[in-house]
Amino acid sequence: SQQGEEDPQALSIQEGENATMNCSYKTSINNLQWYRQNSGRGLVHLILIRSNEREKHSGRLRVTLDTSKKSSSLLITASRAADTASYFCATGGGSYIPTFGRGTSLIVHP
Amino acid sequence: GAVVSQHPSWVICKSGTSVKIECRSLDFQATTMFWYRQFPKQSLMLMATSNEGSKATYEQGVEKDKFLINHASLTLSTLTVTSAHPEDSSFYICSGREKETQYFGPGTRLLVL
Repeated sequence: SQQGEEDPQALSIQEGENATMNCSYKTSINNLQWYRQNSGRGLVHLILIRSNEREKHSGRLRVTLDTSKKSSSLLITASRAADTASYFCATGGGSYIPTFGRGTSLIVHP
Repeated sequence: GAVVSQHPSWVICKSGTSVKIECRSLDFQATTMFWYRQFPKQSLMLMATSNEGSKATYEQGVEKDKFLINHASLTLSTLTVTSAHPEDSSFYICSGREKETQYFGPGTRLLVL
């Protein structure tokens, strides 16, 4: 299994600010995926970035990947109260058994 | 994206009973499905990998006789918690893989009294 570890564990910001969270991993990957989990709910797939990509955008989301540092970042721009959730990364490799770190708990204050 | 459903979303049962949770991929076929459990404010912990037509692969520390997994078709995997006890109370989430992406069900909250 290939586990991602998110940092920081908790992040509290005001609505309209940008939120940045990071993910570090240890093994070689084919791709890395970010997920959001609202309290008591399942995980929602946000974005996938492949190992040959350095940056990817989706709406207000921007993901970067640095395979030399084995790290990725997720930037949420112009955050909204509805972005309040936990965010997880998961890495994908040959066997791709996604395992998760503790996640980053994001609170966006209105 | 693809959709994974779980049923039931909530279950309360008495200690000693068995509970079955269904996980279905609605618009894709999932050769492999994964079962996780999550305690409050904790990460998802992988319990087992469910392979269609074969035995599930369990993670270390997960009792295969306690958590029975059946992957009878490409769209359905079931997790049965046998002789449930209060410590089995948790949030159980399944996922299925389509191409490169993992899609998760909404989860099943189990409360064992």
